[in-house]
Amino acid sequence: QVHLQESGPGLVKPSETLSLTCSVSGYSISSGFFWGWIRQPPGRGLEWIGHMYHSGSTHDNPSFKSRVSMSVDTSKNQFSLKLTSLTAADTAVYYCGRAGGQGAFDFWGQGALVTVSS
Amino acid sequence: EIVLTQSPGTLSLSPGERATLSCRASQSVSSTYLSWYQQKRGQAPRLLIHGASSRATGIPDRFSGSGSGTDFTLTISRLEPEDFAVYYCQQYGTSLTFGQGTRLEIK
Repeated sequence: QVHLQESGPGLVKPSETLSLTCSVSGYSISSGFFWGWIRQPPGRGLEWIGHMYHSGSTHDNPSFKSRVSMSVDTSKNQFSLKLTSLTAADTAVYYCGRAGGQGAFDFWGQGALVTVSS
Repeated sequence: EIVLTQSPGTLSLSPGERATLSCRASQSVSSTYLSWYQQKRGQAPRLLIHGASSRATGIPDRFSGSGSGTDFTLTISRLEPEDFAVYYCQQYGTSLTFGQGTRLEIK
């Protein structure tokens, strides 16, 4: 069974950079699929941030205006997200997930709540 | 960016009834790239349907998806108590977007 787990700080200050890591077990990232990030502000809907292939090619949401960078560490079977210039609007539960070529996320992490506040 | 509009916003039904949830796209979406998710409070979303009509692994056959072009439907043939949740459609084209969700509540 594929298992994903997000890790990172629960509280980040405005203007700082959020760094999240997703650890994958039960499947090797380098075997295929896309690996991505989705977030959900409290009480609101889902927003795609971006996803990447194990080769390092990425596809991210233009609405983040180049604040997003993603990377993969196949040796640790992990992938990571960096989101810069944080504001309160970035407060959300951040999920990592695995997606197939159809863009459907079939496995998700449990989610990590990130609060942006001074 | 393709905008997905789900209706109704809230659907109130009783166990045993049939639920029909709609997802309309602002422009045509390939059926291959249309998915549906279920999300319960405090949990991550769960993939129900991919390719507009294919059930994901382990999803009961009371869940079915249909549609093409700009109009897609998720149908739950006979509601079980565990089906009351929020449902999202999602498309993947030049970008990836989700609908705003339909809340299915117990009447």
